[in-house]
Amino acid sequence: ETGVTQTPRHLVMGMTNKKSLKCEQHLGHNAMYWYKQSAKKPLELMFVYNFKEQTENNSVPSRFSPECPNSSHLFLHLHTLQPEDSALYLCASSQGWDRGYGYTFGSGTRLTVV
Amino acid sequence: SQQGEEDPQALSIQEGENATMNCSYKTSINNLQWYRQNSGRGLVHLILIRSNEREKHSGRLRVTLDTSKKSSSLLITASRAADTASYFCATPPGAGSYQLTFGKGTKLSVIP
Repeated sequence: ETGVTQTPRHLVMGMTNKKSLKCEQHLGHNAMYWYKQSAKKPLELMFVYNFKEQTENNSVPSRFSPECPNSSHLFLHLHTLQPEDSALYLCASSQGWDRGYGYTFGSGTRLTVV
Repeated sequence: SQQGEEDPQALSIQEGENATMNCSYKTSINNLQWYRQNSGRGLVHLILIRSNEREKHSGRLRVTLDTSKKSSSLLITASRAADTASYFCATPPGAGSYQLTFGKGTKLSVIP
């Protein structure tokens, strides 16, 4: 266990479904992130939250909707996804880039859109 | 945009040998980080080297940084089968930024 917990580990959903991914950390970190990892592509940063405020949205389609109710929890709400959205979705947290600790990642949610 | 780029894309070695992976980046950095990812899992932070450091060690890992060449290397000594994984370098794009951008990684296979 890394201290960042993602649920579910695997998710299969139809294109008309609505589902949510959950991420939880109790490391006292103040920044949380969603990354998408597709085969043969670099990790893509999707969203950044710093002290619960969204600071980055890297041109992510509106069918992905993040929510950060507090500094320990992060959600990614999914609706009307496309098959090309199938990927490993990784959540991470950090105290800050200048603290020397890097990012702590969860184990990811393997999403398959059918 | 992609900042770091690892080389080679894939590396296969025998157990006990050393493995060297390289990373090149484009803009000036405050620090550079290396991560490991076992198949289908999350990334694990290995080591962070700051721009004013040239070399750093952690167990069997040795990282170097050459800011004049905008490059870094990760050396794993006396490799083990358990070191089989993908290795990524990552850099924050600017001072004070929380973002990290990753390369495509080097896939290391250590053959027992």
